[in-house]
Amino acid sequence: EVQLVESGGGLVQPGGSLRLSCAASGFTFSSYSMNWVRQAPGKGLEWVSYISSASSTIYYADSVKGRFTISRDNAKNSLYLQMNSLRVEDTAVYYCASSTLKLYYFDYWGQGTLVTVSS
Amino acid sequence: EIVLTQSPATLSLSPGERATLSCRASQSVTNYLAWYQQKPGQAPRLLIYDASKRATGIPARFSGSGSGTDFTLTISSLEPEDFAVYYCQQRNNWPPLTFGGGTKVEIK
Repeated sequence: EVQLVESGGGLVQPGGSLRLSCAASGFTFSSYSMNWVRQAPGKGLEWVSYISSASSTIYYADSVKGRFTISRDNAKNSLYLQMNSLRVEDTAVYYCASSTLKLYYFDYWGQGTLVTVSS
Repeated sequence: EIVLTQSPATLSLSPGERATLSCRASQSVTNYLAWYQQKPGQAPRLLIYDASKRATGIPARFSGSGSGTDFTLTISSLEPEDFAVYYCQQRNNWPPLTFGGGTKVEIK
């Protein structure tokens, strides 16, 4: 059974940093691209970042470019999101999502981790 | 950036009725469109990809159609567990990958 488990969320002040992790199991993590998708409270879904299976291709949404860094460790079956210079508008549930069925669609999702940016 | 516009924002229907949800793209996405279902407090679930292909384990009452800029998700006969929010997403022209604003299907 595929499982994605996020961790690392919490309350942080504006300008602060946070590192999210996503532990994957039940599939060959190293073979598939991964993404972070977020959802602000009561709002819709927003794609945040993409990383290819070997980390050779990385993309970011304009809203986080230059502040967030996606990475992965295939030996540890783990995905990460380093978030710096956090803003109030970054407050959201952050999901990691895999693309095992077809590239650039999200077929498995974690349960999400809440990041709250507030003073 | 491709903008996806979903309509209606809310659809009020009774169990057993047919639901028709629309997603319109600001430019052609060929057939590279997916639909997701999200229930309160849960992560989204992939229903349809490439406009009309059902994902693994998705019931046959869910179907997708369309190409270019106009797409439809149809639920042939609503079950109680189908009342949720539905999002479309395109992968034709990216980054960024973009989602529509969602359609809430609520019980009438």
